[in-house]
Amino acid sequence: QSVLTQPPSESGTPGQGVTISCSGSSSNIGSNTVNWYQQLPGTAPKLLIYGDHQRPSGVPERFSGSKSGTSASLAISGLRSEDEADYYCVVWDDSLNGRYVFGTGTKVTVL
Amino acid sequence: QVQLQQSGPGLVKPSQTLSLTCAISGDSVSSSIVTWNWIRQSPSRGLEWLGRTYYRSKLSRWYSDYAASVKGRITINPETSQNQFFLQLNSVTPEDTAVYYCVRYVAVRTGWYFDYWGQGTLVTVSS
Repeated sequence: QSVLTQPPSESGTPGQGVTISCSGSSSNIGSNTVNWYQQLPGTAPKLLIYGDHQRPSGVPERFSGSKSGTSASLAISGLRSEDEADYYCVVWDDSLNGRYVFGTGTKVTVL
Repeated sequence: QVQLQQSGPGLVKPSQTLSLTCAISGDSVSSSIVTWNWIRQSPSRGLEWLGRTYYRSKLSRWYSDYAASVKGRITINPETSQNQFFLQLNSVTPEDTAVYYCVRYVAVRTGWYFDYWGQGTLVTVSS
């Protein structure tokens, strides 16, 4: 099972904001940078945020990342129908000889 | 533009070996600034990083690292003449049923990320 815990689901109406949490530990989020991915059905994950809060070119400013201690968050403002997807955090974990670990995933529904 | 094209069987019998190939275009498997990874996804295990291979010109050598969960069963190797890399997973069980992705990793000044992903291959382990 994943060492990064996310809520199974979040929802909001168009225009609203949602925040997705990712809870880890000192061996992962507490000591390494966090990335966030969006996955639409039947497709590979797409990078949204890297380095805790950096947005790659082409990712709307509506998506923002933050981190505090052993938890990270992805905020989506001004929800749009196309934001309905699964979202995952990912980070390097220093335990077990090192490995990348993904969060459990959060399904965002736009009502 | 980097593209990763996966190939390999979609059905493997229990106890046999799962083998997948990832052909790279737009980059080199021998690049010293990236790593080449395999990640799988299943409903029961979620997204799981399996391992990576990479070349570092400073020491003129190849490296491979594996997740503890599959170590001892997994091999990830490059094939420079064809600019591709492979995944082999031995002694598979139904628990290894998943969509398998080959993925490029890159590190930049402000962080790192998996940027290019293959199309994914659903591998089912069943007799």
